Amino acid sequence: EPEVTQTPSHQVTQMGQEVILRCVPISNHLYFYWYRQILGQKVEFLVSFYNNEISEKSEIFDDQFSVERPDGSNFTLKIRSTKLEDSAMYFCASSATPGHPREFFGPGTRLTVL
Amino acid sequence: KQEVTQIPAALSVPEGENLVLNCSFTDSAIYNLQWFRQDPGKGLTSLLLIQSSQREQTSGRLNASLDKSSGRSTLYIAASQPGDSATYLCAVPSGAGSYQLTFGKGTKLSVIP
Repeated sequence: EPEVTQTPSHQVTQMGQEVILRCVPISNHLYFYWYRQILGQKVEFLVSFYNNEISEKSEIFDDQFSVERPDGSNFTLKIRSTKLEDSAMYFCASSATPGHPREFFGPGTRLTVL
Repeated sequence: KQEVTQIPAALSVPEGENLVLNCSFTDSAIYNLQWFRQDPGKGLTSLLLIQSSQREQTSGRLNASLDKSSGRSTLYIAASQPGDSATYLCAVPSGAGSYQLTFGKGTKLSVIP
């Protein structure tokens, strides 16, 4: 079965540094998402992306965050200047259609900000 | 704003027992509901997706029901096995016209051999 992949599995960075989290969605999917889960808390929506633009974003997704589909296969989440509170598991997801989406999630990247 | 609550937060049962996990949501204008499984430190695996027009969906030993009018869903697991031990998450769209999912905090299930 096709799956969403994410790299790296674990990223450790210093506060204030930029990080880029990478995702390869399922190949025929058109809608892409980032979610995050702070340890012990709920999974939270960050952003959705379709047709090379953001379609929805949450209040968490401020100017420090950006997303990009640089080459038609990868989908990236960039955090410009990481804060301690950005430490979380970040999940990428993709779906074929938005109407009745069944979102397929990747295994996640654990981001640790020191 | 959509809110999702899952009860209980944790559940421990002996192997072989049937069990029910509960999910409630505040905005009933949803077009589907999903149940996910999350193993420790791992990603989310979609178990069942119920469309708003359906009342239940089955996959193997799992059966999920949906009552939109009351804002509730249940996940029934029959003949539980130690391999079922995981956290089970319920998720619904955040509102009309939105495709972002709002998740509950999950029920952590432990099946004791």
